[in-house]
Amino acid sequence: GENVGLHLPTLSVQEGDNSIINCAYSNSASDYFIWYKQESGKGPQFIIDIRSNMDKRQGQRVTVLLNKTVKHLSLQIAATQPGDSAVYFCAEILGSNYKLTFGKGTLLTVNP
Amino acid sequence: GAGVSQSPRYKVAKRGQDVALRCDPISGHVSLFWYQQALGQGPEFLTYFQNEAQLDKSGLPSDRFFAERPEGSVSTLKIQRTQQEDSAVYLCASSPGQNYGYTFGSGTRLTVV
Repeated sequence: GENVGLHLPTLSVQEGDNSIINCAYSNSASDYFIWYKQESGKGPQFIIDIRSNMDKRQGQRVTVLLNKTVKHLSLQIAATQPGDSAVYFCAEILGSNYKLTFGKGTLLTVNP
Repeated sequence: GAGVSQSPRYKVAKRGQDVALRCDPISGHVSLFWYQQALGQGPEFLTYFQNEAQLDKSGLPSDRFFAERPEGSVSTLKIQRTQQEDSAVYLCASSPGQNYGYTFGSGTRLTVV
């Protein structure tokens, strides 16, 4: 598969540990945020979303935190598994706009 | 279908050749998007359709790029006189409406030699 890791921030964790992936978004007026997971050779896959009127949202093994004061988004993955290894992107949408603006991805590697 | 389908999965084109990339969105999805993803980067917006209407083509990098969705379902992204800088993965996404539920296809990897 392609080696996207050459240009990306990387995070390496042990299987079973918790992972935290961070993202700084660009527009203070953005009001909808999505985390995507992208495996090699595949398109981005929706993980979890959050609207700007919330600070935290939980899914299955994942939690997204939003700090609007510093325009920061984080994705927490509990009990990380080898299948979680992928590139993770945050994306933002402004108001009624439909365009997803993607942040810089993070390559997560889970060591067994 | 169950997901967004793109074809071909891989395309190698000689510089100057025209290419056509196809996207089959999820049935019934009104909105369709094309994104370009360079190696090691996040996807970047190219164009947006609502049914058959192309409402935004502001992300198309040049007039060599053209997209259509004539019947409001299948879409084609055409690149004329390809150049090396066009090498990228071209992703299609669809959604039932604006601002939610985007589903991406696996993309077409275009390599211009």
